[in-house]
Amino acid sequence: EPEVTQTPSHQVTQMGQEVILRCVPISNHLYFYWYRQILGQKVEFLVSFYNNEISEKSEIFDDQFSVERPDGSNFTLKIRSTKLEDSAMYFCASSEVAVYNEQFFGPGTRLTVL
Amino acid sequence: QQQVKQSPQSLIVQKGGISIINCAYENTAFDYFPWYQQFPGKGPALLIAIRPDVSEKKEGRFTISFNKSAKQFSLHIMDSQPGDSATYFCAARPPANKLVFGAGTILRVKS
Repeated sequence: EPEVTQTPSHQVTQMGQEVILRCVPISNHLYFYWYRQILGQKVEFLVSFYNNEISEKSEIFDDQFSVERPDGSNFTLKIRSTKLEDSAMYFCASSEVAVYNEQFFGPGTRLTVL
Repeated sequence: QQQVKQSPQSLIVQKGGISIINCAYENTAFDYFPWYQQFPGKGPALLIAIRPDVSEKKEGRFTISFNKSAKQFSLHIMDSQPGDSATYFCAARPPANKLVFGAGTILRVKS
């Protein structure tokens, strides 16, 4: 069964450092998403991406964040200068089409900022 | 309002019992209501979903009841099993490309 994969599973970084979280969406999917979940809290939308551009972003997704699809398979989330409050689980998701279509979530990357 | 309110925060049910989790929303523009199940260390996985033109949807032991006028929807897990122990999130989608999640319910089914 096709699945969304994410690497690394756990990333530890120092405050102020740049991190790149990687995702491989399901191959025939066209819409890609990043969500985050701070420990013990709800899953929050960060950004959606379609046709090589951001289609929507939340207020969390400020200038420190960027997304990219560098090739035909990877989808990345970059945080330029990490803060302590960026510590969270980051989930990548993908869907085949936008309307009424299931978003498949990856296993997540746990980001710890020290 | 782009919020979905979920209750209870946690729930303990005996094996074989019925688990009920409730969600409420305010934005009438929401057009899709999925429930996700999350096990520790895993990503959310879609369990069942409903559109607002339907009042109930059943898949196996899982049923969504949807009350459009009250702007509420709920998940019922019949014959709850220890393997159902997980965190359950309701979600809603505005006519945009994202999901708005509830706060989650930690379900524990006691054997």
